[in-house]
Amino acid sequence: GESVGLHLPTLSVQEGDNSIINCAYSNSASDYFIWYKQESGKGPQFIIDIRSNMDKRQGQRVTVLLNKTVKHLSLQIAATQPGDSAVYFCAENRKYGGATNKLIFGTGTLLAVQP
Amino acid sequence: DAGVIQSPRHEVTEMGQEVTLRCKPISGHDYLFWYRQTMMRGLELLIYFNNNVPIDDSGMPEDRFSAKMPNASFSTLKIQPSEPRDSAVYFCASSPSGGGPFNEQFFGPGTRLTVL
Repeated sequence: GESVGLHLPTLSVQEGDNSIINCAYSNSASDYFIWYKQESGKGPQFIIDIRSNMDKRQGQRVTVLLNKTVKHLSLQIAATQPGDSAVYFCAENRKYGGATNKLIFGTGTLLAVQP
Repeated sequence: DAGVIQSPRHEVTEMGQEVTLRCKPISGHDYLFWYRQTMMRGLELLIYFNNNVPIDDSGMPEDRFSAKMPNASFSTLKIQPSEPRDSAVYFCASSPSGGGPFNEQFFGPGTRLTVL
């Protein structure tokens, strides 16, 4: 399948540190990218998005960077807090020709914030 | 604001039984999505609607799965007959129009389905 999740990579950080979560995508035609946060027992929550005509977008304590050359996306969280502990997913709007789009999710990264 | 509402939150059924999952999107949102999440396959888009019309159902795994949206405030995902491999968390999401279907989706709390 296009989204396989046998093992979640984990990022462990100290409270107050900055976190960087990475994501690679494969389709150069993808034109829109989204980061979601999913807490245990809840649905994914939109964090921030970026279009392919941008390299960087900032929100409150979060920044998304897009490097189209190497097809890489990152989410930076400043001053990480215990409430940031969750699984973070990147998603790409992948184009399949014509007007067909599909939203493909990555496998996710577990962010564990140590107090 | 109530957000996306899903029912039931948990469903346990036996193989071969019909299962119906329900969703009420956020009022005013034009797009509605059904997702399935498992440890093995992650989060998968099953189908999505725009203004109550199915746009892309290529993610629906088999003919046993069907989805309907009879009006702007209600959608169902039905599995008939259910099988143990259908066990997963099923999410409904909705998004407003403008900018494309996948902009800023709001997810419901999910329905955890267990098929014995």
